[in-house]
Amino acid sequence: NAGVTQTPKFQVLKTGQSMTLQCAQDMNHEYMSWYRQDPGMGLRLIHYSVGAGITDQGEVPNGYNVSRSTTEDFPLRLLSAAPSQTSVYFCASSERDAQGVRLAKNIQYFGAGTRLSVL
Amino acid sequence: AQSVTQLDSQVPVFEEAPVELRCNYSSSVSVYLFWYVQYPNQGLQLLLKYLSGSTLVKGINGFEAEFNKSQTSFHLRKPSVHISDTAEYFCAVTYSGGGADGLTFGKGTHLIIQP
Repeated sequence: NAGVTQTPKFQVLKTGQSMTLQCAQDMNHEYMSWYRQDPGMGLRLIHYSVGAGITDQGEVPNGYNVSRSTTEDFPLRLLSAAPSQTSVYFCASSERDAQGVRLAKNIQYFGAGTRLSVL
Repeated sequence: AQSVTQLDSQVPVFEEAPVELRCNYSSSVSVYLFWYVQYPNQGLQLLLKYLSGSTLVKGINGFEAEFNKSQTSFHLRKPSVHISDTAEYFCAVTYSGGGADGLTFGKGTHLIIQP
């Protein structure tokens, strides 16, 4: 059971380049989310999804796009990378209830992270 | 909206000594509380969580935390630390009524175990 898998583990981009951070989970979790981790800032929510075809913005969505075409995958896209997006990115997933929302008490499972540098 | 304050960015402790990592939260609604641990170059792993009931919560690796509603605190403790406990520890909160938004994290406390 792989859990939450993120690729790549490391990436260096030039300003203005685009890329997609991949996230896949094999636990059949409906809820998935992306966080960024910056020194002294903790983790901040970028985007989240409560199921295939449904996404919404978190605390810091600017500069990022997401889509959710399948339950398993939740890619994060940077259309035009900026130095301010240098960070460590974490994907997480958890179970949801029958009404389609993440049960607050449920554990979120995190991937190992993608370390991104934008020059 | 909720917020979390971890009062210490770094805590150095000698091996086999006790440790307390402090966490205070602010919320106008009922919340659930969590402690996550991040070992070097790894993702976050749940240590323990408080949902309801007993205010003393026991987690993995010998850690425990106590929920204090009057002081809005959820401090993490371990009676005797090991070198392997060196990691970043994050306190997090979420609205207990459910909803699709994510966890609100504190800025983290780096626990440094000295031999």
